[in-house]
Amino acid sequence: AQKITQTQPGMFVQEKEAVTLDCTYDTSDQSYGLFWYKQPSSGEMIFLIYQGSYDEQNATEGRYSLNFQKARKSANLVISASQLGDSAMYFCAMRALGGSNYKLTFGKGTLLTVNP
Amino acid sequence: GAVVSQHPSRVICKSGTSVKIECRSLDFQATTMFWYRQFPKQSLMLMATSNEGSKATYEQGVEKDKFLINHASLTLSTLTVTSAHPEDSSFYICSASSGQDFLAKNIQYFGAGTRLSVL
Repeated sequence: AQKITQTQPGMFVQEKEAVTLDCTYDTSDQSYGLFWYKQPSSGEMIFLIYQGSYDEQNATEGRYSLNFQKARKSANLVISASQLGDSAMYFCAMRALGGSNYKLTFGKGTLLTVNP
Repeated sequence: GAVVSQHPSRVICKSGTSVKIECRSLDFQATTMFWYRQFPKQSLMLMATSNEGSKATYEQGVEKDKFLINHASLTLSTLTVTSAHPEDSSFYICSASSGQDFLAKNIQYFGAGTRLSVL
């Protein structure tokens, strides 16, 4: 079984500052993938970034980076130079790699508010 | 990223009627599609997984006769809420995965969701 824990129900950040959203996970799978999604108030889920458990380097996608610490089982999302449009719900998710089971396990999410 | 279209975005219906929601992958072939339900300020709850050409696999506690899922082609899956009641009011969102990523990411790309209100 897999479990994702996001301990921050809400976070506030000033525009142009960096913010870290926490995510810890638990799994018995040897090979797994970690995902972050953004959900604005409009509802759509936007894929942000992916990290494979065997990737040696932390993933980066533009202003998003993933601070992956395998021994600590954490996969924190770092957003640099926050923008007002970053205000949204952020979900961390994971799935086992290999096989044909593509089911994602989601955390409860963190609501990020970017202040001007 | 890949584009998934979900329609309608919002639907209001009377109790007892059926509602069909469509989920289309526009620029890739989706071997697997997923249907989720989301209550306000909560995370996504997986309802079922559908593979093209085969019966959907429902999660425990989800009524398969209530939530009919059809995945007739590699680009289209539909969710029909049959005999809808007020307790079925919710946000329904689909996702699609190509299942052909050699890096095994098989990222799920989501539609914009459907807000169902049953009166």
